[in-house]
Amino acid sequence: AQTVTQSQPEMSVQEAETVTLSCTYDTSESDYYLFWYKQPPSRQMILVIRQEAYKQQNATENRFSVNFQKAAKSFSLKISDSQLGDAAMYFCAYRRTSGSRLTFGEGTQLTVNP
Amino acid sequence: ETGVTQTPRHLVMGMTNKKSLKCEQHLGHNAMYWYKQSAKKPLELMFVYNFKEQTENNSVPSRFSPECPNSSHLFLHLHTLQPEDSALYLCASSQDRTGYGYTFGSGTRLTVV
Repeated sequence: AQTVTQSQPEMSVQEAETVTLSCTYDTSESDYYLFWYKQPPSRQMILVIRQEAYKQQNATENRFSVNFQKAAKSFSLKISDSQLGDAAMYFCAYRRTSGSRLTFGEGTQLTVNP
Repeated sequence: ETGVTQTPRHLVMGMTNKKSLKCEQHLGHNAMYWYKQSAKKPLELMFVYNFKEQTENNSVPSRFSPECPNSSHLFLHLHTLQPEDSALYLCASSQDRTGYGYTFGSGTRLTVV
C-alpha cells in the first residue's frame, strides 16, 4: 500500500523568506502523480502544484516549486518570498496513474510571521 | 464559485438524529469522494464513486450511508452517530484515470452531541 509521510507537523517562516516543506512516500509503482494541497482556515483544499513521476523536471508555479527526487521517494515543496496569505495547512498527496484514490500525508501547519 | 459545493457548512446533531450532507459538482467530473478529516489525523478516504457506482468503501461503519444518484450529486446520510464521528467531512470530485488532482468542497463541520 502507498503511504505518504510529512515529518514536520509545524513550520514557521518570516514574511518574504523561503521555506521548504518535506514529504516522503512509499510506492512500488514506477508511474504516478504527486501533489501539494493547501488548506487555509476557510477549509477549502486548494491544489498548489502537481508533479508527474515520469517527468524529471521539477514543477514550478510562480513562487511554489518542488524538489522531486524519485529514487529517494522525496517530494519537497519550496515557497519563495513567503506571504501572509501562504499561512495554511499543507498536505502532500500521491495518486497512482491507474487509480483515482488520493493518499494524503498528515499535513504541515505553516505559520508566516510578519 | 468553487465548482464543488457542500451543504450545510455546519451541522450539530444528536446521537439519535438522522441528517444528510450534500455535495454537488458542476465540473463534469465522473468520480466523487467523501473524506473525513479529524484533528491531528490524516484525511481518511471513506467512499469513492465512479460513474455513480460505488467503487470503494473503506470499512466505514454502517451509520454512514452514501448515495450517488448521478455523477453530479453525492450525499452522505447520517444516523445514530457517535461523538467520535465529529469531524470535517470533505467532498471532492475528479476526472477519473487522469493525472489531475481533486477539486474539493469547503466541507461540512459536523458536531455530534
